[in-house]
Amino acid sequence: GNSVTQMEGPVTLSEEAFLTINCTYTATGYPSLFWYVQYPGEGLQLLLKATKADDKGSNKGFEATYRKETTSFHLEKGSVQVSDSAVYFCALRSGANSKLTFGKGITLSVRP
Amino acid sequence: DAGVIQSPRHEVTEMGQEVTLRCKPISGHNSLFWYRQTMMRGLELLIYFNNNVPIDDSGMPEDRFSAKMPNASFSTLKIQPSEPRDSAVYFCASSLSLAPGDEQFFGPGTRLTVL
Repeated sequence: GNSVTQMEGPVTLSEEAFLTINCTYTATGYPSLFWYVQYPGEGLQLLLKATKADDKGSNKGFEATYRKETTSFHLEKGSVQVSDSAVYFCALRSGANSKLTFGKGITLSVRP
Repeated sequence: DAGVIQSPRHEVTEMGQEVTLRCKPISGHNSLFWYRQTMMRGLELLIYFNNNVPIDDSGMPEDRFSAKMPNASFSTLKIQPSEPRDSAVYFCASSLSLAPGDEQFFGPGTRLTVL
């Protein structure tokens, strides 16, 4: 079956620090990969996605590259801001009638 | 576009009462998903529909939970009778289709507290 593994959290960084959040997956077929973000008190929002190997998704300074050889989709940002404090979920979808499979999520806190 | 609309945003009820959560998906979206989020279990998919037909309800925890989608613009999730362990935030999401690349758009959630 499909599964997503995220690194353990929480993560606390100072403003302008470099961010990496690891995500690896197992899936049947050729999945599409997603990063969702959940700000406090809100629903999840799509941050970025990649639908095939070697694609790079990017948005709001965040990037993630679909690596089929390592089955990974790590999220990176060169300089985090306080406003990036949120919970980040890695997810995949694969196959027809497919549902999103989420990782457990990781809480990021950015200090001024 | 108004996005996915959920109501109520907050619900406080007593154990044993019936609770109905409502969702209006984005117009033109054919797939609808109900999730539950708790600190202990994280984000769980309860059930999803495509073209108003339930596709997979294997995530529904018990017979006390039921979901319907009578038309393309409305869905309900009902808990009867409710129990304290049902306390959670319930999210509804919609997408254009079930194609793997389609984004799911989430509503703001309903925070349910069962006393």
